[in-house]
Order: sequence, then C-alpha cells, then structure tokens
Amino acid sequence: DTGVSQDPRHKITKRGQNVTFRCDPISEHNRLYWYRQTLGQGPEFLTYFQNEAQLEKSRLLSDRFSAERPKGSFSTLEIQRTEQGDSAMYLCASSPSRTSGSSNEQFFGPGTRLTVL
Amino acid sequence: LAKTTQPISMDSYEGQEVNITCSHNNIATNDYITWYQQFPSQGPRFIIQGYKTKVTNEVASLFIPADRKSSTLSLPRVSLSDTAVYYCLVGGPKGDTGRRALTFGSGTRLQVQP
Repeated sequence: DTGVSQDPRHKITKRGQNVTFRCDPISEHNRLYWYRQTLGQGPEFLTYFQNEAQLEKSRLLSDRFSAERPKGSFSTLEIQRTEQGDSAMYLCASSPSRTSGSSNEQFFGPGTRLTVL
Repeated sequence: LAKTTQPISMDSYEGQEVNITCSHNNIATNDYITWYQQFPSQGPRFIIQGYKTKVTNEVASLFIPADRKSSTLSLPRVSLSDTAVYYCLVGGPKGDTGRRALTFGSGTRLQVQP
C-alpha cells in the first residue's frame, strides 16, 4: 500500500449532472476525511468517518453532497445537481485510530479536480 | 478552534535557512501545533508537530515559545524543491477525543530561487 488513492484524478462535468468520487485510504486506517480546496485557499473540511460511521459534517456539506463508507474501507463522495461553485479539488485523507506521536498527522491523497462547466 | 495568522508569501534562495512564523494567540491548553507542506496538484503532507519548546526532525525544526502564542517553522538550507505552500495548524488533542478534522488557513507560499 503506497498511500491514499483517489479516483478519478480529474472530472469535467456539465452543470446539473451528478458526480461521484472514490477514495481508498491507507490499509488499516479507520479514520477518513474529505476536504475541498479552491484555488489559493487551504483545504476546507467536509466530513469525517471513523470506520463506517460518519461522525462529523461541515456546514459546507449541503444537501446535494453525500458521503458514504459502507464497509469502513473505501469511501465515496457524491455531488448531485452540480453547480459551477462546486468546481474545486476534493481531497481525501486518512489516519490511524491511535497515533503514538502525531495526533494531527493525516495522510492525504492526490485529490480529484472537479470542473463544472 | 484557534485561528492562525502567517505571511502570505516568502522568497528565499537555495542554501538559505527559511523561518516561517505563525501567530495563534488563542491557542488552547491541549492544542498541538502542526505544519503541513503542499505542492501544486498534490495533497498536503505532514512536516512536523510540537507542543512546546523545540522539535526537530529530518526535514525541519519547530520553535515554540513559552506562551505558545506563536511558532516558527525553520527549514535549513532550502532547495528549489522546497518551493511550496506551508500551512500552520493548531488543535487536535491526542487520544481519541476531540475534533479530528484539520483547519487550514491560507498558508505561506514559499518561493525558492536558484
């Protein structure tokens, strides 16, 4: 396992379409996070899973956004009826349950860049 | 969550030491200070974390004064490949309690020139 992977790396869609992104965390990491990043800004937290339980959601996660982690392994993030304002980089990160030294160390994937036309 | 303030950008030359200072005046007692690095089109990467005084690893040092209201990331002898955005974050207590998600600011864009 070489790290967190995300698929696709790039997605171009038309406004109003639905899109789904996938994240595969590092094996045995039971914590998984989704972030969104727009140009020139730092990543913004969207939602957090511990195993299959979604424990926290940001106000940024509108009703059009839904995330799942059905078996506590990979996760999907779906955006329904996409809008131009949804254009951003969507980052996934994972971390182990217990971190011996670094409580804030999260391992990020390369991201999925979404462009909504 | 404690808010951080750091310079928008910095310039340096290869071989120089770079110090990036972050202010976090309302840091909580159990907050840690963490720095991440991000290259274009990649996710952030953990650099270093500390609670007080000084922490050093193979890539950087982190200096934290006694009042913990600021911290300084020190990159020794930077190279062109250190050109990136550097984020200072506070929060995330150890253990299984507390908010786990990270709160990023806008970061500091470091440009290293030859």
